[in-house]
Amino acid sequence: AQRVTQPEKLLSVFKGAPVELKCNYSYSGSPELFWYVQYSRQRLQLLLRHISRESIKGFTADLNKGETSFHLKKPFAQEEDSAMYYCALRSGGSYIPTFGRGTSLIVHP
Amino acid sequence: DTGVSQDPRHKITKRGQNVTFRCDPISEHNRLYWYRQTLGQGPEFLTYFQNEAQLEKSRLLSDRFSAERPKGSFSTLEIQRTEQGDSAMYLCASSLLSTGQGNYGYTFGSGTRLTVV
Repeated sequence: AQRVTQPEKLLSVFKGAPVELKCNYSYSGSPELFWYVQYSRQRLQLLLRHISRESIKGFTADLNKGETSFHLKKPFAQEEDSAMYYCALRSGGSYIPTFGRGTSLIVHP
Repeated sequence: DTGVSQDPRHKITKRGQNVTFRCDPISEHNRLYWYRQTLGQGPEFLTYFQNEAQLEKSRLLSDRFSAERPKGSFSTLEIQRTEQGDSAMYLCASSLLSTGQGNYGYTFGSGTRLTVV
């Protein structure tokens, strides 16, 4: 069975500080990993996916198969980054992503 | 077409009543998903369609729940004999499955918040 764990319910940082939102997964095959973000009063939206190796809004995430992790990082947090962040996994044999419970990021001025 | 639309945005119903939600996906998307989200949790998969075919249902989807996508376009999710435990945000998402390119992510609607009193 596939599982996504986001150990932190809340992460609070000051503007300009580095941010790392943790995501660990459990899956024996080759997963596809995603990060979704939900800003206040907005819908859930895709932030980035590991296969594209892209940086979106300054965020990056590297898939570490050895540690089964897909942590989301940003070197300098901005107030507008405050949101709920969800890590999601899609297994190779399914088109259905499994979501973690989410981490609330609060960036203080 | 500006995205995935869900209707209504909010629904308050008495326990035991039936409710129906509607989802209009992005028009060219052939896959449509229903998720449920309760407070403090991430979205939990309920069911999905490829075109008009319902391909998978979660064990979370009890026999009081039924979903349809009759023409491969919009979808409805009906809950019969609602219970207080059904109170949640019901999310719809759609995606495009392109052969050889995989599934690049999902576009979510704003959700329907159901409160059963």
